[in-house]
Amino acid sequence: EIQLVESGGGLVQPGGSLRLSCAASGFSFSTYGMNWVRQAPGKGLEWVSYIGKSGRTIHYADSVQGRFTISRDNAKNSLYLQMDSLRAEDSALYYCARRTAFFDYWGQGILVTVSS
Amino acid sequence: QSALTQPASVSGSPGQSITISCTGTSSDIGRYNFVSWYQQHPGKAPKALIYEVSNRPSGVSIRFSGSKSGNTASLTISGLQAEDEADYYCSSYTGSNTLDVFGTGTRVTVL
Repeated sequence: EIQLVESGGGLVQPGGSLRLSCAASGFSFSTYGMNWVRQAPGKGLEWVSYIGKSGRTIHYADSVQGRFTISRDNAKNSLYLQMDSLRAEDSALYYCARRTAFFDYWGQGILVTVSS
Repeated sequence: QSALTQPASVSGSPGQSITISCTGTSSDIGRYNFVSWYQQHPGKAPKALIYEVSNRPSGVSIRFSGSKSGNTASLTISGLQAEDEADYYCSSYTGSNTLDVFGTGTRVTVL
């Protein structure tokens, strides 16, 4: 069974940092591109970042470019999102999602709240 | 890259068919056939319904179908059922650094 389990969320002050993790199981992690997608409370989905299977190809949404860093450790079957200079508008449920021609598997999400 | 435009809400009676539109530009929907649709029930993660405009992932009901014309994609739900009441999102590949863009979302209500 394919599983994606996010962790590392929580409450952080504006300007602070947080590192999200996504543990993958049930598939060959190193052969798939992975994404982070977020959803602010009561709002729609927003694509955040993509990393290719080897980690060499990386893309970011304009809203997080220069503040967030996506990475992966294929030996640990894990995806990460380092979030720096956090703003109130970054508050959201963050999903990790596997990518093929579409987002075919999603985690249950982890909540990040940016507030003083 | 702006979000794709969807109607905020669509409703229908059980057994009816409804269609949700998703309007983009010539840089996303109009250029690529990587349009997908997702269903999200409250408190749950999104679930893929359609990929590459009109393909259904394994296990998705044939009541869900997708199409595209120009810069607009559409999702049709046939034989509407109570369990179809949810939020629906389209998504398109953009080919730019902002790799993907989602739609604004549509709340489907079964009357």
